Amino acid sequence: DTAVSQTPKYLVTQMGNDKSIKCEQNLGHDTMYWYKQDSKKFLKIMFSYNNKELIINETVPNRFSPKSPDKAHLNLHINSLELGDSAVYFCASSSRPHQPQHFGDGTRLSIL
Amino acid sequence: QQQVKQSPQSLIVQKGGISIINCAYENTAFDYFPWYQQFPGKGPALLIAIRPDVSEKKEGRFTISFNKSAKQFSLHIMDSQPGDSATYFCAAFTRDTGRRALTFGSGTRLQVQP
Repeated sequence: DTAVSQTPKYLVTQMGNDKSIKCEQNLGHDTMYWYKQDSKKFLKIMFSYNNKELIINETVPNRFSPKSPDKAHLNLHINSLELGDSAVYFCASSSRPHQPQHFGDGTRLSIL
Repeated sequence: QQQVKQSPQSLIVQKGGISIINCAYENTAFDYFPWYQQFPGKGPALLIAIRPDVSEKKEGRFTISFNKSAKQFSLHIMDSQPGDSATYFCAAFTRDTGRRALTFGSGTRLQVQP
């Protein structure tokens, strides 16, 4: 059973489009995260939710909006996609903010 | 602002050798230091972690050495195997309100040659 699953695995789209990435965890964790990994493999936190409440909102464009319908899901919606948004986006979860994080396998977003 | 500096960027080691990756941090509020291993097409996976109250932690072939006064920590992979070829990330975590997330190093690509 996949602990943290993301869909889709690949996303190829045009500049200016709006897209969503879904994330689900079946670990019963309270905290979920979105990270962005750029072409140089650098991983950076974007958002963190604890019990459906936003606790971290790093400096990302407001075109990015996380949505947490329940503790097991944290989706990422991106409006007006730009070339610079091309990256791999990882969802992760942990039982609490200070506990080990489990990552999904990523969504590779390519903007044409 | 890169708060966790990792080196080297890439590393080639012969099978059976020792792989050593180093990290240094600036923020003294960091209190949890994990290492993650990432294979191509996969997400990072927790390998081993240490808290600053101990100077060394060993799990199998993997050892973290921690130097609190120097604000440095390192990963040693003993008897390196081709299957260890991956990208390794050090990270640090603080309980500081508003910043309770991992700060990652820039990654080290390890190749273990047969």
